[in-house]
Amino acid sequence: EDQVTQSPEALRLQEGESSSLNCSYTVSGLRGLFWYRQDPGKGPEFLFTLYSAGEEKEKERLKATLTKKESFLHITAPKPEDSATYLCAPLGDYKLSFGAGTTVTVRA
Amino acid sequence: SQTIHQWPATLVQPVGSPLSLECTVEGTSNPNLYWYRQAAGRGLQLLFYSVGIGQISSEVPQNLSASRPQDRQFILSSKKLLLSDSGFYLCAWKQSATNEKLFFGSGTQLSVL
Repeated sequence: EDQVTQSPEALRLQEGESSSLNCSYTVSGLRGLFWYRQDPGKGPEFLFTLYSAGEEKEKERLKATLTKKESFLHITAPKPEDSATYLCAPLGDYKLSFGAGTTVTVRA
Repeated sequence: SQTIHQWPATLVQPVGSPLSLECTVEGTSNPNLYWYRQAAGRGLQLLFYSVGIGQISSEVPQNLSASRPQDRQFILSSKKLLLSDSGFYLCAWKQSATNEKLFFGSGTQLSVL
């Protein structure tokens, strides 16, 4: 059975304090992985699609990396506007199940 | 360009009443379609997905059903709502090809009272 685990569940950071979020998974027929950001009461917002082990993608203060069994989302020098829940979803065949998410709070 | 429409934005229904949430996609053909539910403070739970007209895969046994009567229309239904059906319902479609993305609708906040 496919499983997706995100850690930590919650992360409280001081503005400028860099950190990393983890997404680990066991998915049959893994083809890649999505990262999304979600603000309260809104639909998730696309961040990245990663396909190959070793692949990296960056957007502003966010960098996502991928290995065969896990992905990391690095937040460098975060700002309060980076506060959100970050979700990952491995790409298998057609089913798309998300992890429970990591809620990041950045204090000024 | 592609767009996804989901309505209504907010819905308050009594226990035991029926439900119909509709989602339509424009600007693409043969999309993969998804229904998710998010309980307050929780993650996204995959409910149903569809890879074509009339093809529905259910992920979680529950009080809900889904249908895809047309290529770009996805409907979530219930004959009798339960209190536990309350939550934020999101429809999404996935673009195929080399640069895949999952596009979400704006969501329906359902309160069952």
